[in-house]
Amino acid sequence: AQSVTQLGSHVSVSEGALVLLRCNYSSSVPPYLFWYVQYPNQGLQLLLKYTTGATLVKGINGFEAEFKKSETSFHLTKPSAHMSDAAEYFCAVSDKESGGYQKVTFGTGTKLQVIP
Amino acid sequence: NAGVTQTPKFRILKIGQSMTLQCAQDMNHNYMYWYRQDPGMGLKLIYYSVGAGITDKGEVPNGYNVSRSTTEDFPLRLELAAPSQTSVYFCASSLTSGRANEQFFGPGTRLTVL
Repeated sequence: AQSVTQLGSHVSVSEGALVLLRCNYSSSVPPYLFWYVQYPNQGLQLLLKYTTGATLVKGINGFEAEFKKSETSFHLTKPSAHMSDAAEYFCAVSDKESGGYQKVTFGTGTKLQVIP
Repeated sequence: NAGVTQTPKFRILKIGQSMTLQCAQDMNHNYMYWYRQDPGMGLKLIYYSVGAGITDKGEVPNGYNVSRSTTEDFPLRLELAAPSQTSVYFCASSLTSGRANEQFFGPGTRLTVL
């Protein structure tokens, strides 16, 4: 079984400060990892994903994440927070179930507040 | 493309009432999913479909039913609504079932059962 743990349900940063959202995973197979973002009153949209290859993954809006197998982590970072980054962020791990569909296990989410 | 659309955006139900949450996608995706999102709990899979006419249960199917008569539409039916079904419901779709897939989400339906 796969699982995802997001540390911190709420994170506050000042505008222009570093954003660091933490995600640790558990997987019995090499993991496929995702970060999704949910802006207020909207559905989730993909920020970035790691499948294989380069462990530093760049996504949209200046976000990036690094896959660290030894630490079972996939933390999300952005050098300088903007007000528009205020949203909820979900880490997720993907597997393929026997039913032939993509099973995605989501973390519990981290709400990012950006203080002016 | 409109992507994934959901209606209604908000709904209040009384205990025991029924309703259908509508979901449609215009990306010709075979795979569609219904999730519920509860505070602090992440998203849980209710039902999924691998194509028209084929559906199956996810992690939390009790109290719900689905149908998939066309590639585009995947409605979720709530029978005998209960307060435990108060949640935000998201429909999603994907092109394939591969592990690297991106799922595309609708804007959600916020349901309250009183």
